[in-house]
Amino acid sequence: AQSVSQHNHHVILSEAASLELGCNYSYGGTVNLFWYVQYPGQHLQLLLKYFSGDPLVKGIKGFEAEFIKSKFSFNLRKPSVQWSDTAEYFCAFSDSSYKLIFGSGTRLLVRP
Amino acid sequence: DGGITQSPKYLFRKEGQNVTLSCEQNLNHDAMYWYRQDPGQGLRLIYYSQIVNDFQKGDIAEGYSVSREKKESFPLTVTSAQKNPTAFYLCASSTPHGTGNTIYFGEGSWLTVV
Repeated sequence: AQSVSQHNHHVILSEAASLELGCNYSYGGTVNLFWYVQYPGQHLQLLLKYFSGDPLVKGIKGFEAEFIKSKFSFNLRKPSVQWSDTAEYFCAFSDSSYKLIFGSGTRLLVRP
Repeated sequence: DGGITQSPKYLFRKEGQNVTLSCEQNLNHDAMYWYRQDPGQGLRLIYYSQIVNDFQKGDIAEGYSVSREKKESFPLTVTSAQKNPTAFYLCASSTPHGTGNTIYFGEGSWLTVV
């Protein structure tokens, strides 16, 4: 069955630390990949997406993600986090249909 | 303004009653979705629809029903058969797949069954 795994459920970092959140998916065909963020009390927002071309994707607020097809991975990175990055982050993918599958989310807490 | 409107935002119902959550979009998107968000479980897909008069079950469709009679509307009915209906429900719609299938979310509906 198609699925998305986010291995880190909770991450705690200090400001200026580097961030990498893992995301793996299980599907053998062509995929579109996404990272969404949900700030406290707000609804989901798109951070970045990949659907073709350069596997290194840059998104908003200094985030980037790299699609590694051989590893079925799409990890999210940010070189230096800020307190305002405290949020829940969701990885998602869609296949050749419109079906969009989300991971269980990673809660990030950035300490000032 | 373009967007997705969910109503009501908060809803209380007695156990055993069916309840229908409304979702309307004016983005001219073909695809629409219903997700359920529970703490620690992320977003789980209930139903999705790629086109009018067609819809597919997601991972947790049991106890739910939908209809797609109009492109703009995708209401979700939470039936009395749903064993644990208290949750936060998100409706979404998406652009065509070939453009990256970006999904846009409504603000959600909180359903509490007492």
